[in-house]
Amino acid sequence: ETGVTQTPRHLVMGMTNKKSLKCEQHLGHNAMYWYKQSAKKPLELMFVYSLEERVENNSVPSRFSPECPNSSHLFLHLHTLQPEDSALYLCASSQALAKNIQYFGAGTRLSVL
Amino acid sequence: GQQVMQIPQYQHVQEGEDFTTYCNSSTTLSNIQWYKQRPGGHPVFLIQLVKSGEVKKQKRLTFQFGEAKKNSSLHITATQTTDVGTYFCANTRGNQFYFGTGTSLTVIP
Repeated sequence: ETGVTQTPRHLVMGMTNKKSLKCEQHLGHNAMYWYKQSAKKPLELMFVYSLEERVENNSVPSRFSPECPNSSHLFLHLHTLQPEDSALYLCASSQALAKNIQYFGAGTRLSVL
Repeated sequence: GQQVMQIPQYQHVQEGEDFTTYCNSSTTLSNIQWYKQRPGGHPVFLIQLVKSGEVKKQKRLTFQFGEAKKNSSLHITATQTTDVGTYFCANTRGNQFYFGTGTSLTVIP
């Protein structure tokens, strides 16, 4: 148990569906992150939030839409995804941007059909 | 970008043998973090190195940061089956994280 909880753990969706991934951290951290982990590729940082403000958006397609309503919760809204978006999506938090040791959640395994 | 190249991609060792993974960059790194991801699991933080030539130990694990701060290594002495997993290095610059491709370690009992 890392203190970072992600739901759902597994998700299968069609290309026309809309779904959301949820992340919640119980560590009192101020920064939260979304990563994509595909087979045989490095972990890719997608978005960074600090104190609910987005501070990084790494050229991620607009079909991925993050939301951070408060410092404990982070969402990733998905719509009209492509099969190549199938991957493990990991949420992480850190104490702050400057104290950035990453605490990862267990991830959501996404399959796009 | 701050790409970090990691080698080898895969390593199979007999239990009790040593293991080393290397992380290299063409540019000077401000710091290096190391993470371990067990099969089916998520990355877990191991250590952070920030000083040139820094060496840190955690039981059988030894982490080094090169003098020029362009490379780092993780060495495991006398591997055990519990060491199985993928080891990632990561460099941070500003708000960005750049992870290496990882070294997948298999330990044969």
